[in-house]
Amino acid sequence: SQQGEEDPQALSIQEGENATMNCSYKTSINNLQWYRQNSGRGLVHLILIRSNEREKHSGRLRVTLDTSKKSSSLLITASRAADTASYFCAPSSGNTPLVFGKGTRLSVIA
Amino acid sequence: SAVISQKPSRDICQRGTSLTIQCQVDSQVTMMFWYRQQPGQSLTLIATANQGSEATYESGFVIDKFPISRPNLTFSTLTVSNMSPEDSSIYLCSVGALDYLDEQFFGPGTRLTVL
Repeated sequence: SQQGEEDPQALSIQEGENATMNCSYKTSINNLQWYRQNSGRGLVHLILIRSNEREKHSGRLRVTLDTSKKSSSLLITASRAADTASYFCAPSSGNTPLVFGKGTRLSVIA
Repeated sequence: SAVISQKPSRDICQRGTSLTIQCQVDSQVTMMFWYRQQPGQSLTLIATANQGSEATYESGFVIDKFPISRPNLTFSTLTVSNMSPEDSSIYLCSVGALDYLDEQFFGPGTRLTVL
């Protein structure tokens, strides 16, 4: 199993601004998933991007994947207070359950 | 996407007792997992729940402490046995595809506090 490393560990922005979080990993992957966790709750699946994809969109979310750099980014546009949460990336090589890093804690201030 | 429910959603227990957490999925799934998230920490995989056979435990987790059942393709239970305050965590059920190439979804979690 491999674990993604999110950066920054914490991010604080004003409502309406964009938030960018990065994820790095060490070995080749089949896909990478992003999750959101509100305080004390379960993980909400945001996006899965496959290794042959470079960019994917879902509403205000944009995920990029650069397999040559072994990195991914999650962009949240026009952030809202409700986006306040921890965000996790989970790279997968396709043969083991997901392993999680510390995540990025996003605070959106109204 | 799979809809996953967990019971109970939260509980407060006395040390030395046991608690069984149930996970129900709205469709048949191949892979089911149990994770733990201790306060302020990230998620840690406890085990893979195998249908019809013993669960596969990760390093640091043993069957006597965390017995798991998976009687069919939509249901699993995790028991936290002989609890201590260190077991206070959120316990999460998760489901995925056999080839791990598709989405892995998570339940809402069970928040356990051990006094």
